[in-house]
Amino acid sequence: DTGVSQNPRHKITKRGQNVTFRCDPISEHNRLYWYRQTLGQGPEFLTYFQNEAQLEKSRLLSDRFSAERPKGSFSTLEIQRTEQGDSAMYLCASSLSGITYEQYFGPGTRLTVT
Amino acid sequence: KQEVTQIPAALSVPEGENLVLNCSFTDSAIYNLQWFRQDPGKGLTSLLLIQSSQREQTSGRLNASLDKSSGRSTLYIAASQPGDSATYLCAVTWSGGSYIPTFGRGTSLIVHP
Repeated sequence: DTGVSQNPRHKITKRGQNVTFRCDPISEHNRLYWYRQTLGQGPEFLTYFQNEAQLEKSRLLSDRFSAERPKGSFSTLEIQRTEQGDSAMYLCASSLSGITYEQYFGPGTRLTVT
Repeated sequence: KQEVTQIPAALSVPEGENLVLNCSFTDSAIYNLQWFRQDPGKGLTSLLLIQSSQREQTSGRLNASLDKSSGRSTLYIAASQPGDSATYLCAVTWSGGSYIPTFGRGTSLIVHP
């Protein structure tokens, strides 16, 4: 068990560019979550998958954001036409559905939009 | 609205003190409550998870308690050390929903030598 991994760890992009982040969950976990965190705040829920199905999206998730989990394993989060307000830490977590739903987080991807 | 509040937002203590971090939540119909630690610029590390049917959980110098009726949880850290300096976040998963936790803003702890 290598834990949840995220790539890249840091991304600096110019406003208007598209960016894509990847998350690899703990292998036996069927749930995968994306969160956004800004300084001094707790993580805010964006979306989650159970296996390959995207079951819920937050109203925070604008049309510029899209997420996929094509085979129920890794997931990608794409932001199109980035804005300065998208600058944040993007966190991925995974869990097993069932008894505890205990979440395990990756190291995060720090996005800076200039 | 289901909300999670952590007070104080920041805390500075001398090494060796026993300390208590507080988490309050607005709806007592919880499924579980999880405490996390976050170091600057890093992801969250799970410390303790308390199921709705439990009153407390312990791991080493950490003890977390849960009182659903009053909408409170506390994280007790015994004999604090400089290495305990971090932000501590509380997350509540409510019953009857999608089992997606709601996070507090955290308490930023500094333990100075």
